[in-house]
Amino acid sequence: QSALTQPASLSGSPGQSITISCTGTSSDVGNFHLVSWYQQHPGKGPKLIIYEVTKRPSGISNRFSGSKSGNTASLTISGLQAEDEAEYSCCSYAGSSSWVFGGGTKLTVL
Amino acid sequence: VQLVESGGGLVQPRGSLRLSCAASGFSFSDYSMNWVRHSPGKGLEWLSYISETSSAKYYAESVKGRFTVSRDNAENSLYLQMNSLRAEDTAIYYCVRDSATYLDYWGQGTLVTVSS
Repeated sequence: QSALTQPASLSGSPGQSITISCTGTSSDVGNFHLVSWYQQHPGKGPKLIIYEVTKRPSGISNRFSGSKSGNTASLTISGLQAEDEAEYSCCSYAGSSSWVFGGGTKLTVL
Repeated sequence: VQLVESGGGLVQPRGSLRLSCAASGFSFSDYSMNWVRHSPGKGLEWLSYISETSSAKYYAESVKGRFTVSRDNAENSLYLQMNSLRAEDTAIYYCVRDSATYLDYWGQGTLVTVSS
């Protein structure tokens, strides 16, 4: 199972919006409506911020939103804040109780 | 929900290590669990799945035949026995709860370094 493709890094200024793409295949992202996104700060475990493509867990800001088209999923962060600086990883169900992740995107808030 | 991994450390190539994950704050026996690792300079990698009653276990090709997942519901604990370790197994290993359609809670991780 190959990893999903994400940009290695992105940057944005406070208040701006950024979008992180996550490209898979018809065997994972394109085949299941089960894409999730994780935020990870240094030294911490990943935190779920989007699940089932568009849903937000309780307590996650509505500045985070997700979408999917074909084999590509996207995470949009609007109104960038300093605390959004972190690594973001996408994840898709890949069948047989297995999961495939993206390579991670390091977001810098300028 | 709290997941606390332990058992990581420095091990020589071809050596073995057993990771543990102590779960609390939820009914452990009601959830499937996973192990995921994060290698230096690489993304997250799913390694293994175990169902609530241990009746189903799945592994990534990269660890199949070398790693074994198990659990003890009476002790609210998850384990990963790692044998024939290689340099490329160096990573932070996470215990992750499975909510069927997503992986929701992650531990802080335990670092495994494979080096001579």
